[in-house]
Amino acid sequence: AQSVTQPDIHITVSEGASLELRCNYSYGATPYLFWYVQSPGQGLQLLLKYFSGDTLVQGIKGFEAEFKRSQSSFNLRKPSVHWSDAAEYFCAGVDSNYQLIWGAGTKLIIKP
Amino acid sequence: GAVVSQHPSWVICKSGTSVKIECRSLDFQATTMFWYRQFPKQSLMLMATSNEGSKATYEQGVEKDKFLINHASLTLSTLTVTSAHPEDSSFYICSAKEDHGSYNEQFFGPGTRLTVL
Repeated sequence: AQSVTQPDIHITVSEGASLELRCNYSYGATPYLFWYVQSPGQGLQLLLKYFSGDTLVQGIKGFEAEFKRSQSSFNLRKPSVHWSDAAEYFCAGVDSNYQLIWGAGTKLIIKP
Repeated sequence: GAVVSQHPSWVICKSGTSVKIECRSLDFQATTMFWYRQFPKQSLMLMATSNEGSKATYEQGVEKDKFLINHASLTLSTLTVTSAHPEDSSFYICSAKEDHGSYNEQFFGPGTRLTVL
């Protein structure tokens, strides 16, 4: 079955440090992949998406993600985090019925 | 562009009452809308998919008589939680997209927090 996995339930990073959130997918064909951010009590905001083409995708708020087929990964990165980046991050893919498949989410905690 | 609104943003109701949540696409025609439920500290769970003018398709384990979905127009879908009970308390999120049959991006509403006393 198609699935999206986020191995880390939560990650703690110092403000100003770099960040990488992991996402793995299980698919046969080239997947559509997304990263969303959700602040507490809020809806979801799309950070970036990968459909095809350049495997390094730039998103909003200084985030980027790299699609690596050989590793079945789509990890989210940011070179320097800010306290306002503290939130829940969800990786998602699209299944054969064009519905979103969600990872379990990774909670990002920022240390001052 | 591509804004989806939900109303209300939060609601508190007594057990046994029904609650209606609206989801609107403000600047595009949403042929397909999705309703999700999110428990605290968990990911989103798809409840149902609704296509304009037809009956919603519910995911396994979701009671269609409990969660009534109506998608009567290209810009509005409603979710009615009937005879709500405390276990229905949750964060409900809708999303909308424009086309059938291919993947176009889903745009998410801000969510509705339902608390059933």
